[in-house]
Amino acid sequence: NAGVTQTPKFRILKIGQSMTLQCTQDMNHNYMYWYRQDPGMGLKLIYYSVGAGITDKGEVPNGYNVSRSTTEDFPLRLELAAPSQTSVYFCASSYGGGPSYEQYFGPGTRLTVT
Amino acid sequence: QQQVKQSPQSLIVQKGGISIINCAYENTAFDYFPWYQQFPGKGPALLIAIRPDVSEKKEGRFTISFNKSAKQFSLHIMDSQPGDSATYFCAVKFGYNQGGKLIFGQGTELSVKP
Repeated sequence: NAGVTQTPKFRILKIGQSMTLQCTQDMNHNYMYWYRQDPGMGLKLIYYSVGAGITDKGEVPNGYNVSRSTTEDFPLRLELAAPSQTSVYFCASSYGGGPSYEQYFGPGTRLTVT
Repeated sequence: QQQVKQSPQSLIVQKGGISIINCAYENTAFDYFPWYQQFPGKGPALLIAIRPDVSEKKEGRFTISFNKSAKQFSLHIMDSQPGDSATYFCAVKFGYNQGGKLIFGQGTELSVKP
């Protein structure tokens, strides 16, 4: 199993451009999450999904959109990129939402908006 | 609204010493308390976790101490090794009915000197 894969690894965007960060998992996990990590701030939840067709907002959803049409994929869309969206983005997945279900993280996408 | 506060921000320990990282949380809605380890350029990975009905959990050199009444928990790394040098995040986990979301602390950068 490849686990959680994210593409691209790095990206530079100009202010106002849009892009989609891709996330795929091959573990048949129902739950998927998007976090952003800023220096000294820990990880903050952007959006999450508990199954195909079901998504919900996390702590910092503004400026982002998600969709979940399949179990495997959970893309994150940035519309009208702003410098405040410069961050490292991590996708994670877990089989369930209960205490013992571990979240597995991808390797991250480093995004710079200039 | 910061629900998890982690300290210290950075920690330097000699090889063989004990590393201690502390976390405090603000409400009682959580049902799991994990610690994550992150190496540079990688996503976080689950290190050890504890349920709120247990006061201590030990796995090898890693121990979580949990104080429910004080809303605090800590990570102890015994016999710290240079390979333990990484960033450590505490987290609190919501129940499955709230998507199993994680709220992370700000992180502690641990450096173990040989």
